[in-house]
Amino acid sequence: EAGVTQSPTHLIKTRGQQVTLRCSPISGHTSVYWYQQALGLGLQFLLWYDEGEERNRGNFPPRFSGRQFPNYSSELNVNALELEDSALYLCASSLATGSRGSPLHFGNGTRLTVT
Amino acid sequence: GENVEQHPSTLSVQEGDSAVIKCTYSDSASNYFPWYKQELGKGPQLIIDIRSNVGEKKDQRIAVTLNKTAKHFSLHITETQPEDSAVYFCAAITYSSASKIIFGSGTRLSIRP
Repeated sequence: EAGVTQSPTHLIKTRGQQVTLRCSPISGHTSVYWYQQALGLGLQFLLWYDEGEERNRGNFPPRFSGRQFPNYSSELNVNALELEDSALYLCASSLATGSRGSPLHFGNGTRLTVT
Repeated sequence: GENVEQHPSTLSVQEGDSAVIKCTYSDSASNYFPWYKQELGKGPQLIIDIRSNVGEKKDQRIAVTLNKTAKHFSLHITETQPEDSAVYFCAAITYSSASKIIFGSGTRLSIRP
């Protein structure tokens, strides 16, 4: 079974630019979560998609947005990049929400560096 | 709001000794508690989990205990090995129509040779 895949693995952007990160969930998983992990710190919740709809978002500005496609893959978009956006962006997937005890499975992330 | 407190933030143990990481949660509706291990350059990987109707679960050298009354759960690693060095995260999850997933702040575990 293929795990959660994210692309690209590394990315370098300049302040003010825009970036799109991509995530393919495990086959059969309909929920996708995005987390930001700054160097050496914890997991900060960004967005949660389920069945193509945004279910919840964390405490991030509107320039962080995303979507989920009919095949359950997902994109995270960040506009007007700032230096503090430099972080590891992690995507996770799980079975349908409400499913009892369905754990999150993480990809290996996209390392974004903003200069 | 709901939160999960994880302690300690860093832990160094001698190879072969045991390591214990503790988490306390605030949402009494939480009903699922996974533990993740994150190695350098990788995403967090699920290593063990426990549901609210179980008090203890063991998988080889790893065990998790849950005290619902006190709202805390712990990860126990016995006979630690160098490959156990990583960052460990606990999480408290409430599965319902509006699921909530809250992670602890992480514990950096180092195994001394």
